[in-house]
Amino acid sequence: GQNIDQPTEMTATEGAIVQINCTYQTSGFNGLFWYQQHAGEAPTFLSYNVLDGLEEKGRFSSFLSRSKGYSYLLLKELQMKDSASYLCASLDSNYQLIWGAGTKLIIKP
Amino acid sequence: ETGVTQTPRHLVMGMTNKKSLKCEQHLGHNAMYWYKQSAKKPLELMFVYNFKEQTENNSVPSRFSPECPNSSHLFLHLHTLQPEDSALYLCASSQEASGSDEQYFGPGTRLTVT
Repeated sequence: GQNIDQPTEMTATEGAIVQINCTYQTSGFNGLFWYQQHAGEAPTFLSYNVLDGLEEKGRFSSFLSRSKGYSYLLLKELQMKDSASYLCASLDSNYQLIWGAGTKLIIKP
Repeated sequence: ETGVTQTPRHLVMGMTNKKSLKCEQHLGHNAMYWYKQSAKKPLELMFVYNFKEQTENNSVPSRFSPECPNSSHLFLHLHTLQPEDSALYLCASSQEASGSDEQYFGPGTRLTVT
């Protein structure tokens, strides 16, 4: 079956660094997405990885290892506004997104 | 503002009612999607339209009926729903359905079935 695993909830301190992990098992693989969703709002795109390695975008970076079926989202210099849910999704062989349940990130002052 | 709007934002309906959810995208995209989001569960893809043609129907009960009159508009018609259908219904769009394009989501309709 197809499965995406990510932690349910994480807590971090303002100004710190946090890494949110995601492991995936899907029928085929055409890339891995990360989305951010603030409470009561629409999910918004953060990153897309299809090749192994780290991609950096400002304070946010995303890493992919295809051989391990593993990705992580790295958030640096955390700000209170980063409190949100972070959704991991794998694009399968039919170009259908298989979603994780999301990781709720709580930032404390 | 993502360029995808949804109405209504909140809806309470009885099990015998008929209502419709509306989605409109102003991005010139060719693919539109309906998702169901329940608390602490993964997003569930319900329907996909690519160039106005339905390409996916993920075993959704017939009490949910989609309609896509053109590439910019998507409806979800609801009738004789069950309490377990209470959830956030999200609409999304992307350039095309069979690609790795990011999806743009609307703010969702919070549906409560009583």
